[in-house]
This record gives sequence, structure tokens and C-alpha cells, in this order.
Amino acid sequence: DVKVTQSSRYLVKRTGEKVFLECVQDMDHENMFWYRQDPGLGLRLIYFSYDVKMKEKGDIPEGYSVSREKKERFSLILESASTNQTSMYLCASSPPGGGRPYGYTFGSGTRLTVV
Amino acid sequence: GDSVTQMEGPVTLSEEAFLTINCTYTATGYPSLFWYVQYPGEGLQLLLKATKADDKGSNKGFEATYRKETTSFHLEKGSVQVSDSAVYFCALSGTASKLTFGTGTRLQVTL
Repeated sequence: DVKVTQSSRYLVKRTGEKVFLECVQDMDHENMFWYRQDPGLGLRLIYFSYDVKMKEKGDIPEGYSVSREKKERFSLILESASTNQTSMYLCASSPPGGGRPYGYTFGSGTRLTVV
Repeated sequence: GDSVTQMEGPVTLSEEAFLTINCTYTATGYPSLFWYVQYPGEGLQLLLKATKADDKGSNKGFEATYRKETTSFHLEKGSVQVSDSAVYFCALSGTASKLTFGTGTRLQVTL
């Protein structure tokens, strides 16, 4: 079964820490995405990548960066965690084509709490 | 640009009731349409999809028909179960290079 794996389900970090969220997919997908999900706000796109070493800003990139050194791995980095980054983080991947016609495959999510 | 509008939740139903969650969209051309489901504490799972007008997607008793004339993709199920309690997201893949999601509709099914 194809999978997108996020390294942690739950994470608690302190304000000011540098935080790495890891995502690995085994489907040889070109596209990878990072979203955050907050109550009442739905899914908001943080960053996405169409290829190795390529990245594009999404709707809310401030306070985040990403790294894609290998095709299967897409990392989200919080340079200096703040309490307003407490959220559920979702990684997804897809073949080329903007999600058409297969949609995205999502990981199980990482619930990050910054204290 | 592309957009998806879903009915606001939460939707609360008794077990075995009929479910409709409305979804309408704005897009140019011929988008592909999707419904995703998110169970508590989990990521999103693809529930069903339709890639052209009049297509009907179906899975696990859920159905949705791609209606281009009304730009809609409403999700339906004839008899819901407690295990269907989740958040449901409508999404489209149009001219933008990525999926556009609705804000999600929470469904709660009670005994």
C-alpha cells in the first residue's frame, strides 16, 4: 500500500526551538506539500515542492522553511518555534498534474504543541 | 481563481439517517473533483472522485455526482453510521497547479 509517512504523531516543543517535521513518501511522486490545519480555518498551504531542491511558497510561509534534498523526503522547518505555530501539520504528495486525476495522498499528521 | 464552498457544519444526524453535504465550486475549464474524509486524529483520506461532467464517484456507500450545469459535487449517503463521524472536505483540481480545498464539514452521527 502506498504511503506518506510523517515521523511523529505528537510533538511538544519549547518556544524558540528549531523544529524539524519530516515527511517521506514511497510512491516516487514529484510533488510534495505541507499544510497546517486549525479549527475554523481549514487547510492552509505552507510550502510545496515540484522536484528535488525546488520549493514554492504557499499561502502562509512566514516562520517556516522547507528542504527537499531527495525526491522521497520533504522536511518542514520551524526556525524559531512560537506558540502560534501550535497546530496539526499535514504532509501530502501527488504525481505531476496539480492533483488531477488522482488527488493527493496524505500522511497521518503531526500534532505540534509549542509551549 | 478556483474556489470551493462547502456547507457549514457541524451536521448532526441519527444513525441510519440520510446524509447530504453540499459542495459547489468555481473553476475554469474542466476540473477534477474530490471528497476527502478525516477521522479524528488522522490525516485526510481520499473518499471518492470524479474527473468529468456527469461522472459519479462512489465508495463505502457514499456517492457524489459531478454536475457541471450547477457546478456542484454534493456528497450523499443513504444511511449513515456512527463510524462515519468525521470531517469531510470537498476539493478540486483545476487550472491552478494544486488542489483547492473547501473548509470542511464536520459530521457527527449519534445512536
